Amino acid sequence: KNEVEQSPQNLTAQEGEFITINCSYSVGISALHWLQQHPGGGIVSLFMLSSGKKKHGRLIATINIQEKHSSLHITASHPRDSAVYICAVFTGNQFYFGTGTSLTVIP
Amino acid sequence: SAVISQKPSRDICQRGTSLTIQCQVDSQVTMMFWYRQQPGQSLTLIATANQGSEATYESGFVIDKFPISRPNLTFSTLTVSNMSPEDSSIYLCSVGTDAYEQYFGPGTRLTVT
Repeated sequence: KNEVEQSPQNLTAQEGEFITINCSYSVGISALHWLQQHPGGGIVSLFMLSSGKKKHGRLIATINIQEKHSSLHITASHPRDSAVYICAVFTGNQFYFGTGTSLTVIP
Repeated sequence: SAVISQKPSRDICQRGTSLTIQCQVDSQVTMMFWYRQQPGQSLTLIATANQGSEATYESGFVIDKFPISRPNLTFSTLTVSNMSPEDSSIYLCSVGTDAYEQYFGPGTRLTVT
């Protein structure tokens, strides 16, 4: 069993749609990260959360520590949001990664 | 934040050869990590690069296959030795801060023929 589970694995949306990607984890964590990986391979850190909610532009990330669950929301999605989104948790001494959600936004 | 560069960005190598990947950070960091991402998979930690001592390898990865150097707090190298097609992956360097932040390099896309 993976320590970090993401859903859905693949997601196709029309431009402008509201998108939600979910992440559940089974270990105690110090922090949770949402990462974005574009086709070239480079990874960008979008958010680091340990509680509550963070917003950056059209992206919102929430975490519920009691339920061990986090969501990444994208409002007014755009084709440039097409990427793989990875949830990662840090336990205090190591990271565990989800398998990623591949998002395609169609114009 | 930390800005990380990796060289090369991509390479195509012959079976049996070795490739050394460089990772340069724009600030001194304590924790540096090397990850592998095989096609269609998520990231797998290869090792933690420790400054001034041997790297700490994860299960399934050995020093003879993936020797790592960490000569100072801003630089590390990962060598993929005696390559086979199964080594075709993206190799990523990352750094961690004491505040649990993690930053990734742009990755090195390796294809072994």
